[in-house]
Amino acid sequence: DTEVTQTPKHLVMGMTNKKSLKCEQHMGHRAMYWYKQKAKKPPELMFVYSYEKLSINESVPSRFSPECPNSSLLNLHLHALQPEDSALYLCASSQVRGPGNEQFFGPGTRLTVL
Amino acid sequence: QKEVEQNSGPLSVPEGAIASLNCTYSDRGSQSFFWYRQYSGKSPELIMSIYSNGDKEDGRFTAQLNKASQYVSLLIRDSQPSDSATYLCAVLNTDKLIFGTGTRLQVFP
Repeated sequence: DTEVTQTPKHLVMGMTNKKSLKCEQHMGHRAMYWYKQKAKKPPELMFVYSYEKLSINESVPSRFSPECPNSSLLNLHLHALQPEDSALYLCASSQVRGPGNEQFFGPGTRLTVL
Repeated sequence: QKEVEQNSGPLSVPEGAIASLNCTYSDRGSQSFFWYRQYSGKSPELIMSIYSNGDKEDGRFTAQLNKASQYVSLLIRDSQPSDSATYLCAVLNTDKLIFGTGTRLQVFP
């Protein structure tokens, strides 16, 4: 199994809503990532988890709250988002952090904030 | 200076030709380099990784790395219309994957 899965595929939410994005991998990877991709732009790193601990936060606003409940799961909790947060949110995983480790992406969640 | 640079294209090649995609990077200490393919509306798909100077071949794809020139390239032989996509060059900087802006490839029949 070389797949990263993400749910939901699409999400529309208002600025006062609270929602969560979910990501799962069963490859035994110990590093997981959240990226944000705006239209016609490359993915931008948001968070890195290594062995279930947050190791990198790329100065992401607190309205985005990551969580890693176990080695296979990664969540991104959303609260009080702005319309400019509308984007494709990508989860990725790699065996571990560091050089030589390939990152594999899930299909993404397309988020629209009204 | 951008950390990873690519020509945005579009690069148009006829079916059956070789497509050549180029990428330069600024951090001399970078050790890991990747090419991702991204179809419109989809997520990036890893197609090649390269860590040592020289060429690495996988089917119709060849990645080339020249660390002295800080240059990575991807050759696609026998290009097919299904290869039409945006190709993202990515460089691993510590734990961060830094992407170029991507080159849009169009293969016409």
